[in-house]
Amino acid sequence: QVQLKESGPGLVQPSQTLSLTCTVSGLSLTSNSVSWIRQPPGKGLEWMGVIWSNGGTDYNSAIKSRLSISRDTSKSQVFLKMNSLQTEDTAMYFCARGGTTPDYWGQGVMVTVSS
Amino acid sequence: DIQMTQSPSLLSASVGDRVTLSCKASQNIYKYLNWYQQKLGEAPKLLIYYTNSLQTGIPSRFSGSGSGTDYTLTISSLQPEDVATYFCQQYNSWNTFGAGTKLELK
Repeated sequence: QVQLKESGPGLVQPSQTLSLTCTVSGLSLTSNSVSWIRQPPGKGLEWMGVIWSNGGTDYNSAIKSRLSISRDTSKSQVFLKMNSLQTEDTAMYFCARGGTTPDYWGQGVMVTVSS
Repeated sequence: DIQMTQSPSLLSASVGDRVTLSCKASQNIYKYLNWYQQKLGEAPKLLIYYTNSLQTGIPSRFSGSGSGTDYTLTISSLQPEDVATYFCQQYNSWNTFGAGTKLELK
């Protein structure tokens, strides 16, 4: 069955770079898109960006200058890198299948930005 | 950017009630509207896509409707397991979510 699982550091210092990995199973990255979506504690959802099945990417304009999404299809992994982290980037980070209608989600990984 | 406004932000209802949640877009989104349910500590779950299509495995008490800028999620008979926060999401232009409606039992 389709599964996605996020991994990465739970704590990042301000101004540093966040690196997260989404490992998928039960689906091919060459025929499925994967999105990254985050949720600050107690708040709503923010779509960060998507890597399409053809490898193209689209990013939320609010964070585009800080964000990069890539993939390794041979390892079934999608990567998120975001630089210049601030405390307001503290959130649960989810990866999900789909670029417009995510139907399978990972459990999420909590990232805290703090010194 | 398209803004999504959900109302109410908090809704209290009794088991068996018919419940209606609203979502309003800042411009016409041509029915490109999804609904998600998020229970405490869990990832969101897709309930309804393209305004009124029920996702596989979702109970038929959930339904969606709307057009233009105004959309609705209806639960025909509220069950205890429906306690959650519900988010709408438009994908007509990029992707944006509403702030959510928290549904609790009265």
